[in-house]
Amino acid sequence: GAGVSQTPSNKVTEKGKYVELRCDPISGHTALYWYRQSLGQGPEFLIYFQGTGAADDSGLPNDRFFAVRPEGSVSTLKIQRTERGDSAVYLCASSKQSYTGELFFGEGSRLTVL
Amino acid sequence: AQSVTQPDIHITVSEGASLELRCNYSYGATPYLFWYVQSPGQGLQLLLKYFSGDTLVQGIKGFEAEFKRSQSSFNLRKPSVHWSDAAEYFCAVGGDFGNEKLTFGTGTRLTIIP
Repeated sequence: GAGVSQTPSNKVTEKGKYVELRCDPISGHTALYWYRQSLGQGPEFLIYFQGTGAADDSGLPNDRFFAVRPEGSVSTLKIQRTERGDSAVYLCASSKQSYTGELFFGEGSRLTVL
Repeated sequence: AQSVTQPDIHITVSEGASLELRCNYSYGATPYLFWYVQSPGQGLQLLLKYFSGDTLVQGIKGFEAEFKRSQSSFNLRKPSVHWSDAAEYFCAVGGDFGNEKLTFGTGTRLTIIP
């Protein structure tokens, strides 16, 4: 596709459930990022992939959060035992190369934990 | 630690009037600075960036920003706003070699009145 695609666009789940959010980056982009945006806040860094490996996961809030990118393209953000505080918009971005700050963002996946 | 402050949560401007959105940053080294725009139903889009060199940088959609090291500022300007400029604007720092993560400010919401 032409841009970064994220699915689902909206996810409502119950506290304690497991959630997966998918990101399809722009073809040929080697760098992939996950950010989280809470209401009234700017995006907050979660994790960065260069190829298949997580180059920097320092933003993941705790061990309930995990992300993979097994073939260096599509990435999945996984959240276990969801809590109400996990409710936010999860943004994915990709970049043609690292260290440029030129990120192309998807529209996000809005997660609501009841 | 790097940080960004956008002191104005919400700004209202008349169509055709000039615009300045403020951004102050904190960063240990020479900063890489960015402005992103988030329109409803769209992903964040890069407006412009500063890496080095000329402190006045031009971006897309007629926007420009000026880096002032002495004031730790990177304010965004536009001489004449259009109704389509109504959006949320985010200043960010980072994204340079060895620091892939961007730190965003909390954003400034821009409203345009006819």
